[in-house]
Amino acid sequence: GEDVEQSLFLSVREGDSSVINCTYTDSSSTYLYWYKQEPGAGLQLLTYIFSNMDMKQDQRLTVLLNKKDKHLSLRIADTQTGDSAIYFCAAEAGRAAGNKLTFGGGTRVLVKP
Amino acid sequence: DAGITQSPRHKVTETGTPVTLRCHQTENHRYMYWYRQDPGHGLRLIHYSYGVKDTDKGEVSDGYSVSRSKTEDFLLTLESATSSQTSVYFCAISDSELYAYNEQFFGPGTRLTVL
Repeated sequence: GEDVEQSLFLSVREGDSSVINCTYTDSSSTYLYWYKQEPGAGLQLLTYIFSNMDMKQDQRLTVLLNKKDKHLSLRIADTQTGDSAIYFCAAEAGRAAGNKLTFGGGTRVLVKP
Repeated sequence: DAGITQSPRHKVTETGTPVTLRCHQTENHRYMYWYRQDPGHGLRLIHYSYGVKDTDKGEVSDGYSVSRSKTEDFLLTLESATSSQTSVYFCAISDSELYAYNEQFFGPGTRLTVL
């Protein structure tokens, strides 16, 4: 089955850019997602990218997809203290597999003032 | 926020007892999912449902069963709770009939402790 890997922790200064990396194994994944989890809450979708795209920009967020290397990254520009959270990468199996998502282990981002 | 509630929000139980967690949605979404979240493992899919009475196993389904008798309710049962099932459980819903991508909306979670 699909395997999704992320680094565990990232520390960044307020105002700097953050880059969170993710690798996945199933080249047939149709969509890839970034979710954010704040303390004590469920996950919320931040952004997603379709597998035939290599970049998507959404305000302060930039997603880069290298399909050849099965590598996904999320860049957060001008990181704020409110960006401190756990970020999950997820890969979608496609409708034939019930649209299931496989999540990475999550990257905890700590933004220091 | 999508209308998803989970009950109970916190539960402490003893090894060997049955436990049922409830997920309730008001969005009329077709798909419902149960995940568990453990440190270092992210979220792992336990079971999911693609319609009333239609369910399937996820990657960590052993020791769990589910039922969906109505669109709005998805129940997760731990038949005989074990300490390894201590975790935070999240319910999620989605409806990919509406969008090409599968945005899942998550409930607030249930923290379960098995002593």
